[in-house]
Amino acid sequence: GAVVSQHPSWVICKSGTSVKIECRSLDFQATTMFWYRQFPKQSLMLMATSNEGSKATYEQGVEKDKFLINHASLTLSTLTVTSAHPEDSSFYICSARGSGRPQETQYFGPGTRLLVL
Amino acid sequence: LAKTTQPISMDSYEGQEVNITCSHNNIATNDYITWYQQFPSQGPRFIIQGYKTKVTNEVASLFIPADRKSSTLSLPRVSLSDTAVYYCLVDSGTYKYIFGTGTRLKVLA
Repeated sequence: GAVVSQHPSWVICKSGTSVKIECRSLDFQATTMFWYRQFPKQSLMLMATSNEGSKATYEQGVEKDKFLINHASLTLSTLTVTSAHPEDSSFYICSARGSGRPQETQYFGPGTRLLVL
Repeated sequence: LAKTTQPISMDSYEGQEVNITCSHNNIATNDYITWYQQFPSQGPRFIIQGYKTKVTNEVASLFIPADRKSSTLSLPRVSLSDTAVYYCLVDSGTYKYIFGTGTRLKVLA
């Protein structure tokens, strides 16, 4: 199956700093990438949808100025958590989709654990 | 958006067949049904996808009745390593997934 990677797998940062997380589709071109957040024992929550070369579409309640998403190429999307605070500590997961066909499956990355001190 | 409803948790014993049913009453004509498995601290892993009737692969079967308002994931002869959360997802037509609670499957020895 298709492979999606994330880097870093975990990161610890101080409150007020910014953290960038990369999501790459390794063996296919991803026209659309998605970013999710997951708190312990909870389900995945969709944060935003990004299409290559265009601005991301954020879900209601997600601050676009705090969670900057860039999808500059068909294999790379980045999520930057700006001015991170302890409440931003979570498990961030990206997924990638290859085409616009309804049956096209989303492939998920392994996730990035963020801890803000 | 098509909303899905699944049992929150299930227990089973090793070697048994497990069936997890998901309801999606508002599924649209073009929507596919996809199931994922998630282990703690990992991203979801694709299990199976279907549109109607029955789909089978090397790890699971998916049964979808004619009205497509529900679907059943069947895991044959589960083992301890199948303990995970299983999510049923329906493409909303905008190609984004809205995750429900999922079903937390616990396989007992």
